[in-house]
Amino acid sequence: QQQVKQSPQSLIVQKGGISIINCAYENTAFDYFPWYQQFPGKGPALLIAIRPDVSEKKEGRFTISFNKSAKQFSLHIMDSQPGDSATYFCAAMVETSGSRLTFGEGTQLTVNP
Amino acid sequence: GAVVSQHPSRVICKSGTSVKIECRSLDFQATTMFWYRQFPKQSLMLMATSNEGSKATYEQGVEKDKFLINHASLTLSTLTVTSAHPEDSSFYICSASWGGTTYEQYFGPGTRLTVT
Repeated sequence: QQQVKQSPQSLIVQKGGISIINCAYENTAFDYFPWYQQFPGKGPALLIAIRPDVSEKKEGRFTISFNKSAKQFSLHIMDSQPGDSATYFCAAMVETSGSRLTFGEGTQLTVNP
Repeated sequence: GAVVSQHPSRVICKSGTSVKIECRSLDFQATTMFWYRQFPKQSLMLMATSNEGSKATYEQGVEKDKFLINHASLTLSTLTVTSAHPEDSSFYICSASWGGTTYEQYFGPGTRLTVT
């Protein structure tokens, strides 16, 4: 019940295209859903996050879509750039539990020039 | 804001020796710090959670006597890998949370440990 399932494992997109990464969860107590971007040899960095009271959040080229009834959320990267090539992790948290994050398995995104 | 540093960034040690990794929150007081381990092309695996001044809470399967965690102040936590062996070679990442109006975790840049 604590798992977060992420797909696809890897994704190749052409420059300018849309990258879509999906995550699904079981624990309905989760109330905070962040996405992290990780470059090789570096720690993860927060990209964008959403709470279940909204269905969509957009920051620049990055959008989270959230479907509470389906227990799914996704990251959309518009106008993907080679610099976006990285590993992306979705995560979920029960905020009152002391910020323990449950991570998805990760998606390795490659944006070809 | 919310910068977390780790030191060293890379360390190579011989089998049987101990190595200490420091995690510092540079511009905020971290009430909670987390230590993760990450293998190549895998997700982050939580090892332990520590609160300042308290004993760390270890995840199931993590040897507390091997991975010693000390959260001595609101800006510093250390992970000591004792009697390291080659299978302890990994990427170790810490994160910190100040737990005020947000429980967001801020991650350090990671430490690459290689045990020869």
